[in-house]
Amino acid sequence: NAGVMQNPRHLVRRRGQEARLRCSPMKGHSHVYWYRQLPEEGLKFMVYLQKENIIDESGMPKERFSAEFPKEGPSILRIQQVVRGDSAAYFCASSQDSSGGALGNEQFFGPGTRLTVL
Amino acid sequence: LAKTTQPISMDSYEGQEVNITCSHNNIATNDYITWYQQFPSQGPRFIIQGYKTKVTNEVASLFIPADRKSSTLSLPRVSLSDTAVYYCLVGGRGNQGGKLIFGQGTELSVKP
Repeated sequence: NAGVMQNPRHLVRRRGQEARLRCSPMKGHSHVYWYRQLPEEGLKFMVYLQKENIIDESGMPKERFSAEFPKEGPSILRIQQVVRGDSAAYFCASSQDSSGGALGNEQFFGPGTRLTVL
Repeated sequence: LAKTTQPISMDSYEGQEVNITCSHNNIATNDYITWYQQFPSQGPRFIIQGYKTKVTNEVASLFIPADRKSSTLSLPRVSLSDTAVYYCLVGGRGNQGGKLIFGQGTELSVKP
């Protein structure tokens, strides 16, 4: 059973370009979460999605950022008009349930996408 | 949301037992305590989870006193490969809608 997959692993963009980050959850998982880790900082929650629905986007910046999890295919985190401050590691996690850490429903993380904005 | 406090860093030597304590004074009745491990340039990895008393798995033990206001992650006989950041998280079913709230974590450095 493959784990959470993210691609690309490394992404370089110039200021003003768009960045698209993809996440394929573990087989059988229908809950996807995106987190961002700035250099020398801890992980910060961004958004929580189920198939075709955004459940919680309280951690998403108000502008330029969007996320989707279509019925078919991976979840996409999209950053428009990137700026240098967007440079970070973006991690995706998936779970079977939405219990936020309750027993047996832990989140499994992918290897992350490292975005560098020049 | 329950806030967690843990040491920023710890040093140890190979073969020693390491105990990392996390304070969570405002833990709610339905909150669980979960620990994650993160190696450089990798995503966090679930280590152990508990609600009260003691939990043990093949990787670590988790000790939770009766008042549940703190917890201690115990790593037996650490090796160099245990050098990582360890995060203590508190949350429960439906409490935070599924999202995990990470603190600063404890950076463990294991020396030969």
